Amino acid sequence: GAVVSQHPSRVICKSGTSVKIECRSLDFQATTMFWYRQFPKKSLMLMATSNEGSKATYEQGVEKDKFLINHASLTLSTLTVTSAHPEDSSFYICSARTTPRANTEAFFGQGTRLTVV
Amino acid sequence: SQQGEEDPQALSIQEGENATMNCSYKTSINNLQWYRQNSGRGLVHLILIRSNEREKHSGRLRVTLDTSKKSSSLLITASRAADTASYFCAKTQGGSEKLVFGKGTKLTVNP
Repeated sequence: GAVVSQHPSRVICKSGTSVKIECRSLDFQATTMFWYRQFPKKSLMLMATSNEGSKATYEQGVEKDKFLINHASLTLSTLTVTSAHPEDSSFYICSARTTPRANTEAFFGQGTRLTVV
Repeated sequence: SQQGEEDPQALSIQEGENATMNCSYKTSINNLQWYRQNSGRGLVHLILIRSNEREKHSGRLRVTLDTSKKSSSLLITASRAADTASYFCAKTQGGSEKLVFGKGTKLTVNP
């Protein structure tokens, strides 16, 4: 199957700093990528849809100025958590499809465990 | 917003037994997908079943879909300790690519 690579897998940062998480499609191009957040023992919550060459579409309740998304190429989307606070600590996961059709499987990155101290 | 629930939330069985997980949803779907997540890792796609399909198989996995009851089930036969993971169903609706996940079932297979 297709490979989505997410980096870093773990990051610890101080309150007030910003953290960038990268999501790359290694063997395919993705015009759309998705960013999820997962709390311990909970399901995945869709944060935003990252669109190559245009602004991301954020889900209701997600602060776009807090979670900056950039999708500058067909193989890379980045999520920047700005001015991070302890409550931003979570597991962040990205996904992409090889074709922009709903009836296909999604491929997920390995996830990034963010801890804000 | 999320919709649908998996049940049970947690399931513990012995190796060799079958495991059945259920997923319900509230509105119409295009398709329903099942994913597996090992602790602290990303998700791996297991099976996609379209709204006009009733059953699909993949190895030891069997997925059923009942659109009249708005529910799906995932059956893992002859379970193994390596099947220990969380299992999620996810739905797409309309023309959207967005996947909406249920809360998941945490499966523990004891050796």
